[in-house]
Amino acid sequence: DTEVTQTPKHLVMGMTNKKSLKCEQHMGHRAMYWYKQKAKKPPELMFVYSYEKLSINESVPSRFSPECPNSSLLNLHLHALQPEDSALYLCASSQDHPGAASGNTIYFGEGSWLTVV
Amino acid sequence: GQQVMQIPQYQHVQEGEDFTTYCNSSTTLSNIQWYKQRPGGHPVFLIQLVKSGEVKKQKRLTFQFGEAKKNSSLHITATQTTDVGTYFCAGLGFQKLVFGTGTRLLVSP
Repeated sequence: DTEVTQTPKHLVMGMTNKKSLKCEQHMGHRAMYWYKQKAKKPPELMFVYSYEKLSINESVPSRFSPECPNSSLLNLHLHALQPEDSALYLCASSQDHPGAASGNTIYFGEGSWLTVV
Repeated sequence: GQQVMQIPQYQHVQEGEDFTTYCNSSTTLSNIQWYKQRPGGHPVFLIQLVKSGEVKKQKRLTFQFGEAKKNSSLHITATQTTDVGTYFCAGLGFQKLVFGTGTRLLVSP
């Protein structure tokens, strides 16, 4: 069982809709991540938050807007998405930021399956 | 940018046969992590290797980190049907964990 909780598990949205994906962890982790995974492909990093500040944005289009309201919560706001944005969106967390000392295991949530129609 | 490749892309074995996946990075890694993703599931952490030449075992799984810290391998002895899934290595480079291309394992009873 994962300690990173993501909602909703499934989301279908139109190209003009605005929706949000939510992620929560109560492990006291200070780094949180959004990854995108297409079928039969590895997860691709989108954003990294470290101590509630955005530390990495992998040149993600502005139609994806991350938000970190506090150290336990991470949101991904979605607006004007395209059908090719349909994918599994994975939230993850780790004790410290990725460049910290070794032993920084990343824990993934079960993901949100997004379909854009 | 940093690239992490895995071979093979796919392997189909009979239950009881051994399986190995190899992971190669274009850059030196601080550490390497291995994940397993079942069909329809999410990546689940298996192990982390930090030291050059490190070897770790978990029951039937043996993980190795290369001397140059640019490659790694996962070996499964006597596969079982529960081993089915995609195995990803993930290398920690500069501030980022980059996933390998993955090896999909299918085990027939």
